[in-house]
Amino acid sequence: AQKITQTQPGMFVQEKEAVTLDCTYDTSDPSYGLFWYKQPSSGEMIFLIYQGSYDQQNATEGRYSLNFQKARKSANLVISASQLGDSAMYFCAMREVNTGFQKLVFGTGTRLLVSP
Amino acid sequence: DVKVTQSSRYLVKRTGEKVFLECVQDMDHENMFWYRQDPGLGLRLIYFSYDVKMKEKGDIPEGYSVSREKKERFSLILESASTNQTSMYLCASSLSTSGGYNEQFFGPGTRLTVL
Repeated sequence: AQKITQTQPGMFVQEKEAVTLDCTYDTSDPSYGLFWYKQPSSGEMIFLIYQGSYDQQNATEGRYSLNFQKARKSANLVISASQLGDSAMYFCAMREVNTGFQKLVFGTGTRLLVSP
Repeated sequence: DVKVTQSSRYLVKRTGEKVFLECVQDMDHENMFWYRQDPGLGLRLIYFSYDVKMKEKGDIPEGYSVSREKKERFSLILESASTNQTSMYLCASSLSTSGGYNEQFFGPGTRLTVL
C-alpha cells in the first residue's frame, strides 16, 4: 500500500513567489520521520528538510519550511521567494522508526517549474 | 563531504546480458540502498544492506540481486537484463544510528537502457 501521496504531478510558480508542494502520508507507527528531497535535471537527489513525528515545531531550513499537520497526516513543503534554480522534481519520503533498517518510502514526486 | 559514486552515468546493454551496477560511499555508512526511478512511480526500493554481507529485499527485488563484500561498496546485479529493467538506478547510503533522523545520501544515478 502506498504510504506517501503527492497529488500534484506538476506545479508552476513565478519567481519570487511562494509555493506549497503537498504531501500526505499513512502510517500506524507513532514514531516516524518525514523528508523532502530535490532532484534537479542533473539527476542527483538533494536532501532539503526533515521533520520528526515528535517535533513540536515545524522544520525550517532557509527558504524551505515544512507545514506539518500531524492530525491530517500531511507534511507540505513550502518554498518561499522561489528562484529559477528551484525548478526540479521534489520528492516527499517517510521513514517508520520501528521498522528499523532506515528504509525510506518515497512519493511519486512533483515537478516544479519556476518562471521568470 | 559525503560522497556516493556510481560506476556509470549511462549504460546500454542487450537483453539477456548480465549487468553490474557499482556503488561506493566514502563515509563509513552502515546502510546502503538501491532504488529504481521511473516516471510517475517515484523511487522504489530494490534491495538494501545494513552491514557487510547482509542484505534485505525491498519492494521490487524480482530480477535483481546484490552483493556487499566490503562496507563501502554495494553492487546491484541484473542476472539477465530485460527491457523492462530500463530505468534510472539510484544508490544511497546512510548511518545506522537509532532514531528518526538519518538522511540518505544519494549517488548521481545510472541511466540503464536495455535493448
